Amino acid sequence: GENVEQHPSTLSVQEGDSAVIKCTYSDSASNYFPWYKQELGKRPQLIIDIRSNVGEKKDQRIAVTLNKTAKHFSLHITETQPEDSAVYFCAAMEYGNKLVFGAGTILRVKS
Amino acid sequence: DAGVIQSPRHEVTEMGQEVTLRCKPISGHDYLFWYRQTMMRGLELLIYFNNNVPIDDSGMPEDRFSAKMPNASFSTLKIQPSEPRDSAVYFCASTSLGQFGNTIYFGEGSWLTVV
Repeated sequence: GENVEQHPSTLSVQEGDSAVIKCTYSDSASNYFPWYKQELGKRPQLIIDIRSNVGEKKDQRIAVTLNKTAKHFSLHITETQPEDSAVYFCAAMEYGNKLVFGAGTILRVKS
Repeated sequence: DAGVIQSPRHEVTEMGQEVTLRCKPISGHDYLFWYRQTMMRGLELLIYFNNNVPIDDSGMPEDRFSAKMPNASFSTLKIQPSEPRDSAVYFCASTSLGQFGNTIYFGEGSWLTVV
């Protein structure tokens, strides 16, 4: 089955700097890669996703890139703000809509 | 749509008691997932259903856990007997079938504490 590794486990940045979180996956058949943000005590919420027929996607300050050959994808947050502080999870979807999550990255944005 | 609805939101129970968690997926979604979240193990997929049929229950930790989906709008996750190590947040999520995957929406979770 699919295995997703996520790095780093914690990330601390100054407000206004960029943050990058990286994930690798094992199953080359996986075709959908969402990123979720989870605030303390809340549910995971989708912030951006990318499908295997696309290499990059951007939504305001958030972007995701996908390298299918290397089987890795990354989340980029620019101009970070204190409200970006949360846990971020990457995930990969196997055949059959089974979503496997990475271990999560705790992002702290210092003001 | 009200989103994925879970109940109870919080439950504290004594070891050995039966616990039943409930979920109502988003109307029209044909996939339903049960996840467990702990600090140590992160977000683990326990089981998922497609059109009310269990597809993969390989994540169910042991026989004390069981899940059912009697119809398209309701699912339960049962733990009997419960143990302190079952303390976690249990999320239900749903989505609909798509060629390249579709957004999975999570409920607010059921916070379970077994003492």
